Amino acid sequence: AQSVTQLGSHVSVSEGALVLLRCNYSSSVPPYLFWYVQYPNQGLQLLLKYTSAATLVKGINGFEAEFKKSETSFHLTKPSAHMSDAAEYFCAVSDEDDYKLSFGAGTTVTVRA
Amino acid sequence: DAGVIQSPRHEVTEMGQEVTLRCKPISGHNSLFWYRQTMMRGLELLIYFNNNVPIDDSGMPEDRFSAKMPNASFSTLKIQPSEPRDSAVYFCASGSGGGLYNEQFFGPGTRLTVL
Repeated sequence: AQSVTQLGSHVSVSEGALVLLRCNYSSSVPPYLFWYVQYPNQGLQLLLKYTSAATLVKGINGFEAEFKKSETSFHLTKPSAHMSDAAEYFCAVSDEDDYKLSFGAGTTVTVRA
Repeated sequence: DAGVIQSPRHEVTEMGQEVTLRCKPISGHNSLFWYRQTMMRGLELLIYFNNNVPIDDSGMPEDRFSAKMPNASFSTLKIQPSEPRDSAVYFCASGSGGGLYNEQFFGPGTRLTVL
């Protein structure tokens, strides 16, 4: 079964600094990869998804992620953090024929003024 | 589109009571998922349906939990009897396909507290 590992359960950044959230997947074939964001007291919302069309994927709110097959990684970045980026972020993976998403443990981002 | 609708948003009940959580998926979606989120265990998939049929219920913790989807626009998750360890946020999500199209849309969740 597919799985993802998110490195770091908590990331703290200064406003305006780079945000980097790490995600590695376990698969011998390129899976479908997703990043979701959860704001306090809300459900999860899709940030972006990798579907093999392009290795660099742009999402909402200025986030992007790069698929690196050689590193089995799908790290999420944003060049300049904003206070509104404070949330929990989940990486998820799906097989081609699977309706299920396997979620990582999540990374909580705090943004310092 | 109203998105995935869950009710109630908050539920406080006493141990031993029956709890029913409700979900209305996005119209046209053919898959529905129930998740549970806690600090200790993170986000767990409990069960998912495709075209109203339960496909995988391996995540349902025990027989006290049951889920139904009588039609394409409604699903329930029932806990009977409830226990304090069931306290969590329960999310419903819906989607319109697997693999490439496996984007799931989440509801706002039901926060359950069992005293």
